[in-house]
Amino acid sequence: DTGVSQNPRHKITKRGQNVTFRCDPISEHNRLYWYRQTLGQGPEFLTYFQNEAQLEKSRLLSDRFSAERPKGSFSTLEIQRTEQGDSAMYLCASSNFRTSGIYEQYFGPGTRLTVT
Amino acid sequence: DAKTTQPTSMDCAEGRAANLPCNHSTISGNEYVYWYRQIHSQGPQYIIHGLKNNETNEMASLIITEDRKSSTLILPHATLRDTAVYYCIVRPRISSGSARQLTFGSGTQLTVLP
Repeated sequence: DTGVSQNPRHKITKRGQNVTFRCDPISEHNRLYWYRQTLGQGPEFLTYFQNEAQLEKSRLLSDRFSAERPKGSFSTLEIQRTEQGDSAMYLCASSNFRTSGIYEQYFGPGTRLTVT
Repeated sequence: DAKTTQPTSMDCAEGRAANLPCNHSTISGNEYVYWYRQIHSQGPQYIIHGLKNNETNEMASLIITEDRKSSTLILPHATLRDTAVYYCIVRPRISSGSARQLTFGSGTQLTVLP
């Protein structure tokens, strides 16, 4: 399967614990995005990588959140000192820049985080 | 990016065409209309995009009005597997340095009924 994969698919953690999620994008895609989705809402942008460089971060990304994409391949999203408000689906997407300026993003299945 | 307005929910009988409307009255000349859908417990899936001409692919057709202030996504023969939230998104062409993340609204919950 050459789609975007995310692990784990589900994570239950206690408030105050740290969690880390992984995203493996489509292999030739140089752009990688993280989104967060709460119940009944559309996904909200968190951060964006072009190759290994993190080029943009949303104001939603508090200091407790950090993302990396070493070597421009897979990416990790870490949440430190989790809070109940962090409970959400965390989605990863990847794409390739095209000179046409038109492109679609391919999403993974998401990681559902529940903070108890 | 221009704001879009979609109905909260719609029903469609299986086998019939599903027509999902979207208003984007503030769309500018360089902005495209994209449609994504999200089946329950899955990530969003790209469906189609267009600028001003009608577009068709294996999944759907996109009809954009002449003034470009609204569009309709058409699923010609809806099946139960088309039950999903459908998002209409307006965004410009991207340049090499811009992120151009997708800005999702609440979308339309389409329920295909047997």
